[in-house]
Amino acid sequence: DAEITQSPRHKITETGRQVTLACHQTWNHNNMFWYRQDLGHGLRLIHYSYGVQDTNKGEVSDGYSVSRSNTEDLPLTLESAASSQTSVYFCASSDGTDYEQYFGPGTRLTVT
Amino acid sequence: KNQVEQSPQSLIILEGKNCTLQCNYTVSPFSNLRWYKQDTGRGPVSLTIMTFSENTKSNGRYTATLDADTKQSSLHITASQLSDSASYICVVRRYGGSQGNLIFGKGTKLSVKP
Repeated sequence: DAEITQSPRHKITETGRQVTLACHQTWNHNNMFWYRQDLGHGLRLIHYSYGVQDTNKGEVSDGYSVSRSNTEDLPLTLESAASSQTSVYFCASSDGTDYEQYFGPGTRLTVT
Repeated sequence: KNQVEQSPQSLIILEGKNCTLQCNYTVSPFSNLRWYKQDTGRGPVSLTIMTFSENTKSNGRYTATLDADTKQSSLHITASQLSDSASYICVVRRYGGSQGNLIFGKGTKLSVKP
């Protein structure tokens, strides 16, 4: 069955370190997204991609970057982790037909 | 400003009871509205999608309604089960908006007690 996976599921890192969160989907979807979810906020869009070599900034993109070298993967990089980036991160994908997004299981990131 | 407001923030009900969750939005122009269910520790999963012309749609024990004139939607859960304990998120898409242009509500956390 097609799926979307994220790794690691939990990560603890120190302030200032570079961190990369992986997202892999086997739906063959062109569109992929990264969100963060914090208490008191809805899901907030960090970056998204419509296809290979395409990336776009979302609502809360500062301090994050993505690259899309193939259809299946959209890794999210925190260039220099900050405590404010402690959050749960969700990756999602969609095929653009009715825009339903399929979400991964999430990565809980703690920056100490 | 495009916003999605959900109420209540949290709700506790007894197993077997019914409940209704509310979603009010100011998103314009409107394209569609989705309800997602998010179990603890998991990603959201779509329950149903409502377009402008649809008033009611059911998915098992879940029934969503949409009033496009008043910009309100509700999600009614019938004969609740323990497995219904989750957060329910209302998401509205703007017409003509990009794939990234979804407006998310903060969710309603539902707890079903035995």
